[in-house]
Amino acid sequence: QSALTQPRSVSGSPGQSVTISCTGTSSDVGGYNFVSWYQQHPGKVPKVMIYDVNKRPSGVPDRFSGSKSGNTASLTISGLQAEDEADYYCCSYAGTYSWVFGGGTKLTVL
Amino acid sequence: QLVESGGGLVQPGGSLRLSCAASGFTFSSYEMNWVRQAPGKGLEWVSYISGGGRPTYYADSVRGRFTISRDNPRNSLYLQMNSLRADDTAVYYCASVAGGLLNYWGQGTLVTVSS
Repeated sequence: QSALTQPRSVSGSPGQSVTISCTGTSSDVGGYNFVSWYQQHPGKVPKVMIYDVNKRPSGVPDRFSGSKSGNTASLTISGLQAEDEADYYCCSYAGTYSWVFGGGTKLTVL
Repeated sequence: QLVESGGGLVQPGGSLRLSCAASGFTFSSYEMNWVRQAPGKGLEWVSYISGGGRPTYYADSVRGRFTISRDNPRNSLYLQMNSLRADDTAVYYCASVAGGLLNYWGQGTLVTVSS
């Protein structure tokens, strides 16, 4: 049950694109198409931005997209906006009714 | 909607029972989880329970100390926490499951383990 590996921080200017990586193993990220991404603003509840690797819940802007290659998943945010500044967590199903999260990435919009 | 309660300050070695009240959906049809977040830290999956109450699963960090349960007629989920340690200090969230996604989350309840 080791945490997935994410960069501690990323940054970008308004309008630019950023990509956050999430590296796991063949027992979690690589083994299932159940990778999700959560956005969390300070003091708030995590919000689902991407699920099942690349699906967006209704209401999430199409600026947010997800992908996966092998044991690494990625979240790309294009056309950065000030309100995108938040912590982002990846999460993967890890088999036998367990889940594993990444350590979180702080996105700063410059 | 999911609403947690039962958090508070407890001494090391003590016990606490968290509750999660569900409304607006057929609770018994949904698998449920507890997820926690230590202050300033990341999210950690804690425990899972099926819609019928069995099976249950736990993270290594809490197995043997925490017990997840549910009362479907009362639309409630519980987490009995025993032998609490300082590193159990966190906001505890209940979350429902849809496929492989933890989709709906409560607002969380803070547990502080300190003497």
